[in-house]
Amino acid sequence: ETGVTQTPRHLVMGMTNKKSLKCEQHLGHNAMYWYKQSAKKPLELMFVYSLEERVENNSVPSRFSPECPNSSHLFLHLHTLQPEDSALYLCASSQATRKAGFHYGYTFGSGTRLTVV
Amino acid sequence: AQRVTQPEKLLSVFKGAPVELKCNYSYSGSPELFWYVQYSRQRLQLLLRHISRESIKGFTADLNKGETSFHLKKPFAQEEDSAMYYCALSGESGNTPLVFGKGTRLSVIA
Repeated sequence: ETGVTQTPRHLVMGMTNKKSLKCEQHLGHNAMYWYKQSAKKPLELMFVYSLEERVENNSVPSRFSPECPNSSHLFLHLHTLQPEDSALYLCASSQATRKAGFHYGYTFGSGTRLTVV
Repeated sequence: AQRVTQPEKLLSVFKGAPVELKCNYSYSGSPELFWYVQYSRQRLQLLLRHISRESIKGFTADLNKGETSFHLKKPFAQEEDSAMYYCALSGESGNTPLVFGKGTRLSVIA
């Protein structure tokens, strides 16, 4: 399969559960991202792995934990979530470069619709 | 700080009418601007980027640094253009994450 694939498509979890979201890209990109898409809010950047570096985002609660074992795979580990964490979680990849003045843009996955009950 | 503003949540136009989706940005350097589109039940996909100076599906967008705008335009709207449109900005390095606006829903009425 080509492009960016996210699994599962839908996830319902209790507040005491532990689950993981998976993202896989087959584009040869060297950067991957997690975004949160909530109703009436812009896309919120959660985590970035780019050019073999993880970029911390101090505003994301510690109940979200990313993992990037290689440039093709990205995980988002979830534990003790709150109902307000219910949202669409989007994964994206890009070909990042340190070259100034040029950005290739992202390829997005279809997202995981997460509901916390 | 980088910020993208799309002032309209919803824009309704009649088929065949011109369309302009507004996008304003805040960034002190030389930004790269993008438009993404999300059709019903489909994933977000890149529509166009200013650096390419291209026209996709009849849409164009011109970066106006004086007005810090990157409005998306199409001379004649079609029903299949109905979708959510997101404007996004990147800093000067190809390694900086994109910052997105809240999006504008375009509804083209037959």
